[in-house]
Amino acid sequence: EVQLVESGGDLVQPGGSLRLSCAGSGFTFSDYWMSWVRQAPGQGLEWVANIKQDGSETYYVDSVKGRFTISKDNAKNSLYLQMNSLRAEDTAVYYCARGEAVAGHDYWGQGTLVTVSS
Amino acid sequence: SYELTQPPSVSVSPGQTARITCSGDALPKQYAYWYQQKPGQAPVMVIYKDSERPSGIPERFSGSSSGTTVTLAVTGVQAEDEADYFCQSADSSSTYVVFGGGTKLTVL
Repeated sequence: EVQLVESGGDLVQPGGSLRLSCAGSGFTFSDYWMSWVRQAPGQGLEWVANIKQDGSETYYVDSVKGRFTISKDNAKNSLYLQMNSLRAEDTAVYYCARGEAVAGHDYWGQGTLVTVSS
Repeated sequence: SYELTQPPSVSVSPGQTARITCSGDALPKQYAYWYQQKPGQAPVMVIYKDSERPSGIPERFSGSSSGTTVTLAVTGVQAEDEADYFCQSADSSSTYVVFGGGTKLTVL
């Protein structure tokens, strides 16, 4: 059974940093693109970033470029999102999802809540 | 930046057919994907590659494509289908993921 489990969400002050993790199981992690998708309270889904199977390519939504870094450790079956210079508008549930732009996202984690507030 | 446009809400009575549209300039060249999200839950893919249904998704969910618009149809709507539905596709470069704004399906 494919499972994705996120962790690392927390309350952080504006300007602070946070690292999210996503542990994958039940599939060959190194065979798949992976994405982070977020959802602000009461809002829709927003793609944040994705990473190629071997980590050689990464892409970001404009609003997080230069502040967030996506990475992947295939040996540990894990996906990460390093978030720096956090802003109030980054407050959201962050989902880890298996997939990419041209293949869709077939499995999702349950999400982890990031709250940016003083 | 590229956008996908969905109606904010659709309402139907039980047993009727609900149709949710998603419009975008790149849709003639890019596949669309549909997700169902119920309150407090993660999204679930219900349609991939415009019209394919993942294993475990009821047959009453179907997808179609025509020009710059894709459509999710739910035939014989049930109360349990009440949820938010999001379309997703890629931009013209096939690089960036784009989601529609979402449509709330209400079963009257």
